[in-house]
Amino acid sequence: ETGVTQTPRHLVMGMTNKKSLKCEQHLGHNAMYWYKQSAKKPLELMFVYSLEERVENNSVPSRFSPECPNSSHLFLHLHTLQPEDSALYLCASSPSRGAGYEQYFGPGTRLTVT
Amino acid sequence: TQLLEQSPQFLSIQEGENLTVYCNSSSVFSSLQWYRQEPGEGPVLLVTVVTGGEVKKLKRLTFQFGDARKDSSLHITAAQPGDTGLYLCAGGKWGAQKLVFGQGTRLTINP
Repeated sequence: ETGVTQTPRHLVMGMTNKKSLKCEQHLGHNAMYWYKQSAKKPLELMFVYSLEERVENNSVPSRFSPECPNSSHLFLHLHTLQPEDSALYLCASSPSRGAGYEQYFGPGTRLTVT
Repeated sequence: TQLLEQSPQFLSIQEGENLTVYCNSSSVFSSLQWYRQEPGEGPVLLVTVVTGGEVKKLKRLTFQFGDARKDSSLHITAAQPGDTGLYLCAGGKWGAQKLVFGQGTRLTINP
């Protein structure tokens, strides 16, 4: 595997379910990100991790819970979501944290909350 | 709030035509990145520009960073159906935690 991978690619879940999204980067990068992409909106940054430490939480509701066990893996745990949380969730990595570094994105998980 | 405004938001043209997409801001950025995103996939980095006035070419795509580093443009010559996608610009500042993304330009090239 190369680059940034995400699983699953598609997920349908009810509002009472608990599920997790997984991201893995094979680039040797130190920073990882979760973004939400909704129709007609700019990409919304959710979380930033640098060397496994969370350095930014963009006022994301607590029903989204990130986990970064090491610099290669990033999870997004989901519980009691709302229909408006349906979106494409993108993971990205960069050599280091900070806006000056180029980010490399995974293919995304298309989430539908019913 | 730092904002990047992209124009147009939607563009549909015929194969072989030329086009320009703009990315504008009132803020100064240290770097400006352009990404292309195809349906069902994540954004793919096309280019990064860091110097005011810088011009970079990628085959039929020409990227320019404004002299004041507040704006950028993407010009495509002789567009092809394979150029279809969502084009995103993103601005960065050294020392900042995150990139600022524009809302995107959805480009459709018709055969």
